[in-house]
Order: sequence, then C-alpha cells, then structure tokens
Amino acid sequence: DAGVIQSPRHEVTEMGQEVTLRCKPISGHNSLFWYRQTMMRGLELLIYFNNNVPIDDSGMPEDRFSAKMPNASFSTLKIQPSEPRDSAVYFCASTVGGTGNTIYFGEGSWLTVV
Amino acid sequence: GQQLNQSPQSMFIQEGEDVSMNCTSSSIFNTWLWYKQDPGEGPVLLIALYKAGELTSNGRLTAQFGITRKDSFLNISASIPSDVGIYFCAGSGGGADGLTFGKGTHLIIQP
Repeated sequence: DAGVIQSPRHEVTEMGQEVTLRCKPISGHNSLFWYRQTMMRGLELLIYFNNNVPIDDSGMPEDRFSAKMPNASFSTLKIQPSEPRDSAVYFCASTVGGTGNTIYFGEGSWLTVV
Repeated sequence: GQQLNQSPQSMFIQEGEDVSMNCTSSSIFNTWLWYKQDPGEGPVLLIALYKAGELTSNGRLTAQFGITRKDSFLNISASIPSDVGIYFCAGSGGGADGLTFGKGTHLIIQP
C-alpha cells in the first residue's frame, strides 16, 4: 500500500516567494496532520484536519501560513511570503479516527528559504 | 499544554550494546508511541502502546507503558549499525488531545 505522499521532497526558494507543499494521505485515512521539524524545536504540530475540516490550527505560526484540504485525498500547506526562518522539514501525516491514534508520516518536504 | 521530557538527548554506544531511553509526561496519557527517524526520512512507527503496564516487543525492541501512565521506555538489545537514527516518543491523552512528541534521542553507534 502507498504511504503518505508528499511533494516536493526538496525546495530551495528565495525570501518573499510563495511556497506550496502538497500531501496525499493514505487512502481511507480521515485525519491529516501537518508538522514542522527543526533542530531547535523538534516536531511541532501546525494544523490537523478531520474529514477535510480544519480542527486545530493553533500551531500555525502566523498569517503567512495557510493550509487547505479540498478533498479526502489532497492537502496543501502554503507559505506566503516565505522567510529564512521558515526553513525546516515539513511533514504530512495521516491516520484513521482520532488524533490520539497512531499516525503515519510522509517522507517530508525539505524547505530552504534563502 | 502537555509536556514530554525525553532522555537521554543523545547516546554514543558501541555496536552490540543494549540501549535504553525513556519519556515522562506532565499528565496522564492513554497512548504511547515510539517512532524512529532515519536521516532524510520521515518518522516510522516502531511500537504502539495503548494500556497501562503493557509491554510490547518488536524484534530487538521492547517498549513499556508505565503503570502511572505518565512514562514509557524503549529498550534496544544488541544494537547494530542500522539502529542509528533519532528515536521519538509520542503520547496522547485521548479525546481531542493530539499527539505530543518528545525532542528525540539521537542514537550513534560506533563499530
């Protein structure tokens, strides 16, 4: 079975540019999560969706970040405008049912903003 | 919010040695999970624990859900080079609580 699929795997962009990260959750999973990982802060939950509806976006750093889930098989995380401090690995993860269940991660999108 | 303290932060061991790491939380959890992250990859689930006192093995890995429901440990026996990576604990109080992740334990194995 296919796991969580993320794209792009790597992106280098200039400060001020718009960045869009994409995620396809595991088929049948109805909860989707976006995490950010940095050396300093570890894994941070940015937002999670249940049945395509954003449930908790309290982890989204600021208005420059937005996430959408237009259907059960696709989600995007957008940063506009991007800043160097946004450089991190962004993981998408999915699961069935509640937020306390085992979640399965994608391979991550490695973002560098210069 | 919930706080997870994972220790040690890093470990330098010889191949063949046993490894032990643990996590403690400031509140009671209903679920404890252990993940491993290889360089350049996403975290991969190793062991899931759903019941206080539960002891579960996965090959050379053994994890336990503490009786107090505020801690969990992961042991690796007879370490091998491919055990290198970052190990994360994660816990949840259930209901609307999401998963909280520890900061990770970096395992480095010297041949």
